[in-house]
Amino acid sequence: EIVLTQSPGTLSLSPGERATLSCRASQSVSSNYLAWYQQKPGQPPRLVITEASSRATGIPDRFSGSGSGTDFTLTISRLEPEDFAVYYCQHYDNSPFTFGPGSKVDIK
Amino acid sequence: QVQLVESGGGVVQPGRSLRLSCAASGFTFSSYAMFWVRQAPGKGLEWVAVISHDESDRFYTDSVRGRFTTSRDNSKNTLYLHMDSLRLEDTALYYCARASSSGHHVRDASDIWGQGTMVTVSS
Repeated sequence: EIVLTQSPGTLSLSPGERATLSCRASQSVSSNYLAWYQQKPGQPPRLVITEASSRATGIPDRFSGSGSGTDFTLTISRLEPEDFAVYYCQHYDNSPFTFGPGSKVDIK
Repeated sequence: QVQLVESGGGVVQPGRSLRLSCAASGFTFSSYAMFWVRQAPGKGLEWVAVISHDESDRFYTDSVRGRFTTSRDNSKNTLYLHMDSLRLEDTALYYCARASSSGHHVRDASDIWGQGTMVTVSS
């Protein structure tokens, strides 16, 4: 089973600042089968990034994903008020398609 | 519009069974793999299971394998999760979600999610 670790646990930033979130896998994720989701309180997750770097439909270009192998990054170039949320990474390389524990981006 | 609606949750005693349903609309259900993901109160997301578009492939996380079974009825556009031998630690909000691309593969992210149905296991 691939175990995903996310850091930091919480990131306190102001609107307009840059957010950099990390996701590290316990073993290499083939074909970059790595996704990022955003979740706000009381809502289901929203797909942000697929295949490590492809923005999902409707996701603004301030969101970008990068990385390969075991190290992946989600970057939000300039935080908008609606971006403050919890972000989860998930691999879908081989079952089980585990999620990371999440990184919370909150308002400083 | 594209929509997933879960139902069937409730309060159940340990050791009992429950069946969840997920009604799909607004897309060709039979063309997509489907997932179950759960979230315990105040906790993170936990991937539970996946079923391919034609039921030929099904995979489960270790903690539910042998107790949970996912199935689908493509004629009714409905996904199911049958849960047996429920445990206290199965208490969670259960989401169904759609694969982000159509086809036989199950290795995919989830682009459409329902609002979830709550399962509480309690004596």
